[in-house]
Amino acid sequence: QQQVKQSPQSLIVQKGGISIINCAYENTAFDYFPWYQQFPGKGPALLIAIRPDVSEKKEGRFTISFNKSAKQFSLHIMDSQPGDSATYFCAADTGTASKLTFGTGTRLQVTL
Amino acid sequence: GAVVSQHPSRVICKSGTSVKIECRSLDFQATTMFWYRQFPKQSLMLMATSNEGSKATYEQGVEKDKFLINHASLTLSTLTVTSAHPEDSSFYICSARGGKREKTQYFGPGTRLLVL
Repeated sequence: QQQVKQSPQSLIVQKGGISIINCAYENTAFDYFPWYQQFPGKGPALLIAIRPDVSEKKEGRFTISFNKSAKQFSLHIMDSQPGDSATYFCAADTGTASKLTFGTGTRLQVTL
Repeated sequence: GAVVSQHPSRVICKSGTSVKIECRSLDFQATTMFWYRQFPKQSLMLMATSNEGSKATYEQGVEKDKFLINHASLTLSTLTVTSAHPEDSSFYICSARGGKREKTQYFGPGTRLLVL
């Protein structure tokens, strides 16, 4: 019940295209859903986060869509750039446990 | 933005020695710090959670006598890998969070440990 399932495992997108990464969860106690970006040999960096009281949050080229009834959330990267090539992790946190449960990660490659 | 540093960034040691990794929150007070381990091309695995001034809470399967965690101040936590062996070679990452109601975890740059 604590798992967060992430797909796809890897993704290749052309420059200028839209990258979409999906996550699904079971635990309805999760109330905070961040996305992290990680470059090789570096620590994860917070990209954007959402709480379940909103269905969408946008920051620049990055958008989180959240579907509470389906227990799914996704990251959309608009106008994908080669510099976006990295591994992306979704995560979820509960109000009480307050520790992140991470998805398995998606390796994104943006080609020229 | 909140900055978390780690030192050293990489360390190579001989089998049987102990290695200490420092994690510091540079511009905020971290009531809680987390230690993760990450194997190549895998997700982050939480090892333990530490709150300032109290004992760390270890995840199931993590040996507390092997991985000693100290969170002596609101800006510093240390992870000591005792009697390191080659199987302990990994990428260790810390994160820090501000107040107890704060959700966001800020991650350090990670420490690459190689045990020969």
